Amino acid sequence: DAGVIQSPRHEVTEMGQEVTLRCKPISGHDYLFWYRQTMMRGLELLIYFNNNVPIDDSGMPEDRFSAKMPNASFSTLKIQPSEPRDSAVYFCASSPPPGRSFYGYTFGSGTRLTVV
Amino acid sequence: GQNIDQPTEMTATEGAIVQINCTYQTSGFNGLFWYQQHAGEAPTFLSYNVLDGLEEKGRFSSFLSRSKGYSYLLLKELQMKDSASYLCAVRDNTDKLIFGTGTRLQVFP
Repeated sequence: DAGVIQSPRHEVTEMGQEVTLRCKPISGHDYLFWYRQTMMRGLELLIYFNNNVPIDDSGMPEDRFSAKMPNASFSTLKIQPSEPRDSAVYFCASSPPPGRSFYGYTFGSGTRLTVV
Repeated sequence: GQNIDQPTEMTATEGAIVQINCTYQTSGFNGLFWYQQHAGEAPTFLSYNVLDGLEEKGRFSSFLSRSKGYSYLLLKELQMKDSASYLCAVRDNTDKLIFGTGTRLQVFP
């Protein structure tokens, strides 16, 4: 298995532009999570999906952020318009159902976003 | 609210033993995880505790006390490659993983 695949690895964009981050979870994992990591706040959960359905988006900072999961093998996180304070590393992670997961989540390599 | 506390930074010497503590207050408890994260990389799974006691896995051990809301990660025979951040995470009653801000460990020769 190739693991959780995220793209792009790095993204540099200008303030006000739209940014789309992509994630392919591990096949057979029912849960998909989007996290944001900064030095100050650590790993923060933004949103998670179960069987492609958004379950909890309470961590999404504001309306500029949106996430979709159109099928079991693909998810996007979109920021429109982007702002410098959105600069962070964004991780996608996937997991089998918690009752069958003794390893927590498997994380992708992350997307380092810089908004200038 | 959800709160997970761990020290920000620790230093140790190669070959030594280091203990990284984690205290938590969360909405329910369905297990505690430790992850290792090297700079610029993704977190990777180290250990899982759901019952009280010590889990040993090679040079790494993790301890849990649910009544105290406390865990520690013990690293023995430290190696230079153990320099990394160590993240404590609790699975709450909605099965989300809530992470602490991590402990950056630097191992010196």
